[in-house]
Amino acid sequence: EAAVTQSPRSKVAVTGGKVTLSCHQTNNHDYMYWYRQDTGHGLRLIHYSYVADSTEKGDIPDGYKASRPSQENFSLILELASLSQTAVYFCASSDRGRSAETLYFGSGTRLTVL
Amino acid sequence: KTQVEQSPQSLVVRQGENCVLQCNYSVTPDNHLRWFKQDTGKGLVSLTVLVDQKDKTSNGRYSATLDKDAKHSTLHITATLLDDTATYICVVGPNSGTYQRFGTGTKLQVVP
Repeated sequence: EAAVTQSPRSKVAVTGGKVTLSCHQTNNHDYMYWYRQDTGHGLRLIHYSYVADSTEKGDIPDGYKASRPSQENFSLILELASLSQTAVYFCASSDRGRSAETLYFGSGTRLTVL
Repeated sequence: KTQVEQSPQSLVVRQGENCVLQCNYSVTPDNHLRWFKQDTGKGLVSLTVLVDQKDKTSNGRYSATLDKDAKHSTLHITATLLDDTATYICVVGPNSGTYQRFGTGTKLQVVP
């Protein structure tokens, strides 16, 4: 079974502080994604990566950076956290080679910015 | 405009009853439509994927239909169990996670 693990599970940050969310996958998947989930919204794509040392912007990248130092690891970085970034963040991976690729999700990180 | 709309927003059924969840979308391309289950505090888990113009799938007590002409999908859950309590999310898009669009989900509660 594919495995995506996120850390931390929850975090409280102060406005203006730096936050790093981590994601690790053991699926040997090329693609990794960061989404945020807000009440009343479907998941929205922040950043994604299809190869180590390269990241791409998703639909809502403003205020976020991403880092993919290896195939297994993908981080989301909030350099200056803001109240509006309070949300649940999900990491996912997928195998691009499959004809109907399945997204495998981590359990999420609940971020509260005060 | 919301590209993937799900209804109802929430639903309460008694254990053993059947239920139907709806997904209407305006996303293009719509190569794949996938239904996910999200338990409270957990990540999304894929239940089934539909790909054909008029498609049907079955996965145990879960069955789904897709009509791309109507841009409409249904998820049927037969003989619900308490463990079916979750949010069910419809996702539509091409064969790439980068362009898929997520619905806001239907929150299902199964009561004894």
